[in-house]
Amino acid sequence: AQKITQTQPGMFVQEKEAVTLDCTYDTSDQSYGLFWYKQPSSGEMIFLIYQGSYDEQNATEGRYSLNFQKARKSANLVISASQLGDSAMYFCAMREGYNNDMRFGAGTRLTVKP
Amino acid sequence: DGGITQSPKYLFRKEGQNVTLSCEQNLNHDAMYWYRQDPGQGLRLIYYSQIVNDFQKGDIAEGYSVSREKKESFPLTVTSAQKNPTAFYLCASSIGQGVGTEAFFGQGTRLTVV
Repeated sequence: AQKITQTQPGMFVQEKEAVTLDCTYDTSDQSYGLFWYKQPSSGEMIFLIYQGSYDEQNATEGRYSLNFQKARKSANLVISASQLGDSAMYFCAMREGYNNDMRFGAGTRLTVKP
Repeated sequence: DGGITQSPKYLFRKEGQNVTLSCEQNLNHDAMYWYRQDPGQGLRLIYYSQIVNDFQKGDIAEGYSVSREKKESFPLTVTSAQKNPTAFYLCASSIGQGVGTEAFFGQGTRLTVV
């Protein structure tokens, strides 16, 4: 069964506007971690932000914030004040319990328009 | 500089030949991973290793093999049994277990089988 679901294959946003990328997950573990990565066209994977299942506050890192709704099992990434350099693929990922693997969603391609 | 090195960046092979992708890390990480990415798709876990001389199958291990003889090295062999090996392969590592441990990625190897 798919553990990470990203329902938006592609998104467009105007430069300087905010955008939300959706991520839902499926786990029966109480302890888990959620990650967002950015993949530019070069192919490298850049870590953006992390949210633990026991964290009460939503994570923030500069222009990135994570809208964590535990009961709905969603972990949406919010990018504020979009820049042209934000155009890339964005992946949501999860680690469960003490499994030492990391599973990824299918990704969302974000295009920032000038 | 610490990091993960994948080589080569581009690799071409004839159908029916085995090929080995290199992954070396100098981050002193215990865990290492191999992912496959197809165009427009997410990352799928092939194999992962938590410690030297130990590794586990991921979601799509068929047609692949790995070894972990040294902490810093985790080579992936794509065998002739892999039906559709043309893809982008990403190697990653993390410091160890725990839901909050971030994965660090190499630059990837793009394998084309003709």
